[in-house]
Amino acid sequence: DVKVTQSSRYLVKRTGEKVFLECVQDMDHENMFWYRQDPGLGLRLIYFSYDVKMKEKGDIPEGYSVSREKKERFSLILESASTNQTSMYLCASSFGVRNSPLHFGNGTRLTVT
Amino acid sequence: EDQVTQSPEALRLQEGESSSLNCSYTVSGLRGLFWYRQDPGKGPEFLFTLYSAGEEKEKERLKATLTKKESFLHITAPKPEDSATYLCAVRGSGYSTLTFGKGTMLLVSP
Repeated sequence: DVKVTQSSRYLVKRTGEKVFLECVQDMDHENMFWYRQDPGLGLRLIYFSYDVKMKEKGDIPEGYSVSREKKERFSLILESASTNQTSMYLCASSFGVRNSPLHFGNGTRLTVT
Repeated sequence: EDQVTQSPEALRLQEGESSSLNCSYTVSGLRGLFWYRQDPGKGPEFLFTLYSAGEEKEKERLKATLTKKESFLHITAPKPEDSATYLCAVRGSGYSTLTFGKGTMLLVSP
């Protein structure tokens, strides 16, 4: 089975802090994704990556950056956390072929106070 | 821009009462329509991929169908353990990303 592991289930940070969310997958997937999920808004794509050191902006990249130094690891960085970034963050991965489904981790619930 | 609309937003069923969830989509060159199940506090779990109109996929009490404009997730004789949020997503031509609907929250009462 595919395993996508997010380093923290719950995280509480203060406004202005730099926050790192880590994600690791064990299936040698080429593609990795970061989504946030909010009530009434659904899943929205923040950033994704097709390969090591590659990154592409999703629909809502403002206030975020990403890093992919190794194939299995994809990090989401909140440069200066704000209260409107309180959300559930979901990491996903997939094979490079276009019809491959995404496989998700269990999420990190981030609260910014 | 790809768009996905799911209905109803919430559905309450009695155990054994069959029903269907709807997913309407607008996409340029459909490369796949995906159904996921999400339990509270967990990430979405992949259920099915459908690629072309007329295709059907089944898994236990769930059956997904696809037309050129919408997909249905039919739930036959549901059980309380089928309670979850069901998400629909599409992939258009030229992209590996998915566009998600907002989901249907299903509650099955014993």
